[in-house]
Amino acid sequence: DADVTQTPRNRITKTGKRIMLECSQTKGHDRMYWYRQDPGLGLRLIYYSFDVKDINKGEISDGYSVSRQAQAKFSLSLESAIPNQTALYFCATSDPLPGLAGNEQFFGPGTRLTVL
Amino acid sequence: AQSVTQLDSHVSVSEGTPVLLRCNYSSSYSPSLFWYVQHPNKGLQLLLKYTSAATLVKGINGFEAEFKKSETSFHLTKPSAHMSDAAEYFCVVSDRGTGFQKLVFGTGTRLLVSP
Repeated sequence: DADVTQTPRNRITKTGKRIMLECSQTKGHDRMYWYRQDPGLGLRLIYYSFDVKDINKGEISDGYSVSRQAQAKFSLSLESAIPNQTALYFCATSDPLPGLAGNEQFFGPGTRLTVL
Repeated sequence: AQSVTQLDSHVSVSEGTPVLLRCNYSSSYSPSLFWYVQHPNKGLQLLLKYTSAATLVKGINGFEAEFKKSETSFHLTKPSAHMSDAAEYFCVVSDRGTGFQKLVFGTGTRLLVSP
């Protein structure tokens, strides 16, 4: 079984709809992240969470919100979807030890979201 | 703040020829550097990482990268390309400024491999 899972894998929605993307992990990591990927722009950080009580905005948090329901679950919501939120969304986790050089992140398979 | 520049958006090679994907970084601290690969319709997989130990880092599938502080570069190489290497590659940096907990991605290089 995959260590980091995302649901749904694909979603088409309409402008103005609320949508939630879910991420679950079995790696036991405290730190979780949400990114979006757009062609030619790489991955950009939306939100990150260092533990259940700690939520932080990334570089492009406007229009998004998150919920950390448990150590293993981190959800991303679009309260009112708009077409420029069409993108590939990735969840990631990282090792719980802070300040450790080389802390790689482990990525889920991605959710392809289309907003019409 | 840290940043990464991938100098080529696309690189085309023939199968069996060498691969060079270029990356320059900027960091106020000694950085950690990574290369991730993304195959079509797949998530991201770590190829290799540099964490201030050996400057020549070997990764999976025959890839390696060399950290050159004087040139602020971390180029990815492979002696002989295989068709299965066709994918998008991301150079990534993190540093002590964020406790090594935030990654900053380059814009990606798409590697095309022809028979």
